[in-house]
Amino acid sequence: EAQVTQNPRYLITVTGKKLTVTCSQNMNHEYMSWYRQDPGLGLRQIYYSMNVEVTDKGDVPEGYKVSRKEKRNFPLILESPSPNQTSLYFCASSAYATNEKLFFGSGTQLSVL
Amino acid sequence: GESVGLHLPTLSVQEGDNSIINCAYSNSASDYFIWYKQESGKGPQFIIDIRSNMDKRQGQRVTVLLNKTVKHLSLQIAATQPGDSAVYFCAEIVAVAGGTSYGKLTFGQGTILTVHP
Repeated sequence: EAQVTQNPRYLITVTGKKLTVTCSQNMNHEYMSWYRQDPGLGLRQIYYSMNVEVTDKGDVPEGYKVSRKEKRNFPLILESPSPNQTSLYFCASSAYATNEKLFFGSGTQLSVL
Repeated sequence: GESVGLHLPTLSVQEGDNSIINCAYSNSASDYFIWYKQESGKGPQFIIDIRSNMDKRQGQRVTVLLNKTVKHLSLQIAATQPGDSAVYFCAEIVAVAGGTSYGKLTFGQGTILTVHP
């Protein structure tokens, strides 16, 4: 089954404790991205990747890092999480550079205390 | 700045009715529009798309209409079912300059559709 898998689904952490949210897709897509979803603000792009070792900032990249060492994986790293990073995070992938037909993961609800 | 927005944040309909969800966009350079459905506890799911050189596209029970004159997009759902209850997002894509063909995707705020049996 074609899917984007994120882990964990829920995460509660404390300010400053480094964490990683993993994302993996099994569709051989070149294009992957991370979004955060907040009430009243909709979905906003954090980072995206057009291929292995090619990443770029989205609209809200501050406080986040990503890496793309393999085509299927695109982890999101919070080196020093802060409460304003409490949000619902989605990983997505697409076969198209134009971002047509994004496939989304099921989301990771992060709470930073 | 450029934005994609929605006229109605919530919509309640009876099962069997037709639903219309509206979206306004402001970037005249957008060349591709998409509707996504997000059910509770899940990620957004692609429903239907339309290119800027079209004004109508039909899928299974869904139709998207694009009016470029007034920068308006709508999603019509025929014979709405309880399983259609979800948040619906419109999104627009603008090609990013630089020769990469990368498309910048901007989402609207979402409309909550509730279907009553």
